[in-house]
Amino acid sequence: DTGVSQDPRHKITKRGQNVTFRCDPISEHNRLYWYRQTLGQGPEFLTYFQNEAQLEKSRLLSDRFSAERPKGSFSTLEIQRTEQGDSAMYLCASSPLGRGNEKLFFGSGTQLSVL
Amino acid sequence: LAKTTQPISMDSYEGQEVNITCSHNNIATNDYITWYQQFPSQGPRFIIQGYKTKVTNEVASLFIPADRKSSTLSLPRVSLSDTAVYYCLVGELRRQLTFGSGTQLTVLP
Repeated sequence: DTGVSQDPRHKITKRGQNVTFRCDPISEHNRLYWYRQTLGQGPEFLTYFQNEAQLEKSRLLSDRFSAERPKGSFSTLEIQRTEQGDSAMYLCASSPLGRGNEKLFFGSGTQLSVL
Repeated sequence: LAKTTQPISMDSYEGQEVNITCSHNNIATNDYITWYQQFPSQGPRFIIQGYKTKVTNEVASLFIPADRKSSTLSLPRVSLSDTAVYYCLVGELRRQLTFGSGTQLTVLP
């Protein structure tokens, strides 16, 4: 299967700890996105990469969140000093470059629980 | 960014056709309309996309009127496995795309 892969699928951590998630996009896709989703809500945009460049970042994103995409391949999302409000599903998606009508291909997400 | 409005929930019976309408009054000229399906504990999955008029694929049809201020996703002959949340997305992927709360479709036997 060559879809979007996310690791881990589940993460339980204590408040104040740092966590890091990994996303491996579809190999030929230049664009990579991170979303966060809480129960009953649609995915909320966090940030977007084109190749290795982080082009957009949500204004709502706390400075405790940082994302990287070294070499334009896989990406990591780190949350420092986690809070209970960070508990959510973190989704990664990728898409090819195009004219704006590309599809988003999502991974299965990482479910984070902060105790 | 174009904001979308969808019904929160819909019920249907197996074998029926389901139509879910999405309003997007401030859609921009370059915006496409894309629908995604999401099952619990999974990421959203692309269903269909259109710019104007009608688009049909193997799973759904998308109807877009001339003014493009709304769109209707049509699912023919739904089955229990179509129970999911359906999201309407409007915009270009170069910009931040916002998912609304979606429409929870429940298909009953």
